[in-house]
Amino acid sequence: QSTLTQPASVSGSLGQSITISCTGTSADVGGYNFVSWFQQRAGEAPKLVIFEVDARPSGISNRFSGSKSGNTASLTISGLQGEDEADYYCSSYTSTSNWVFGGGTKLTVL
Amino acid sequence: QVQLVQSGTEVKRPGASVKVSCKTSGNTLTKPYIHWVRQAPGQGLEWMGIINPSGSSTLYAEQFKGRLTMTRDTSTSPFIMELSSLRSEDTAVYYCAGQSDYPKGGFEIWGQGTAVTVSS
Repeated sequence: QSTLTQPASVSGSLGQSITISCTGTSADVGGYNFVSWFQQRAGEAPKLVIFEVDARPSGISNRFSGSKSGNTASLTISGLQGEDEADYYCSSYTSTSNWVFGGGTKLTVL
Repeated sequence: QVQLVQSGTEVKRPGASVKVSCKTSGNTLTKPYIHWVRQAPGQGLEWMGIINPSGSSTLYAEQFKGRLTMTRDTSTSPFIMELSSLRSEDTAVYYCAGQSDYPKGGFEIWGQGTAVTVSS
C-alpha cells in the first residue's frame, strides 16, 4: 500500500511558522476533502489536530491550520512553541474506501 | 466524550495469533466506527482496517487480507482485532481509533495503544 509523501523533517524557531506538505494522487488527497493531520509526541498515541482539510477539533489551538491544492495538502503551525515539537502525520480517504497515512514528519523547534 | 481503552501488552511466538480488544466508554450515544492502526518501532502509522459500530461490516487493507479479523459481538461488547500467522515484522504498537461521523470528522479519539512483540 502506497503512503502519502511528507518531508522527513522540518524545523523552525520559537515564534516562527512552518508548513508541512503531504502529497498524494487524485485517488486520495486530490479526490476527497477527507484529509486529516495528527500530532504524535514521543511515547504517546496520535492526536487529531486537523480534519476535513482545514477544520480544527475542539480544543486545538488556532495556530494549527490546514489547506489543500490539487493532490497536495498542507499543515501550517504558526507561532511555534516548544510543545509543538512532535511527529506529524497526514492521512486521506481513498478511492478504494481505504485510508492511507503519510510517512510522517519530525518537527524540531529550535 | 467517548474514550477507547485497549487491552495490555502481548508477547507471541512466530506463527501464533494475537487478539487485541478496544472498549468504548463514556457517552454511548456516540457510536464510533473503529479503525485499527499499527506502528512498528521507529516507523510511521499504517492503516489496517475498519469496522462499523454494530460489527456487521468490515474493510481490511489489502496487505492484511487473510490474516486479519475485526469483530464486535454485541453493541456493548469490546471491539476485537485478531491478527494471525504472526511474524517478526508484526512487532508494533496497535491502536484503535474512533470516528463518529464516518467518513467525515477524522480519527477523533485514540486508544492508548497495545504493544505486541513477536519473537521466538
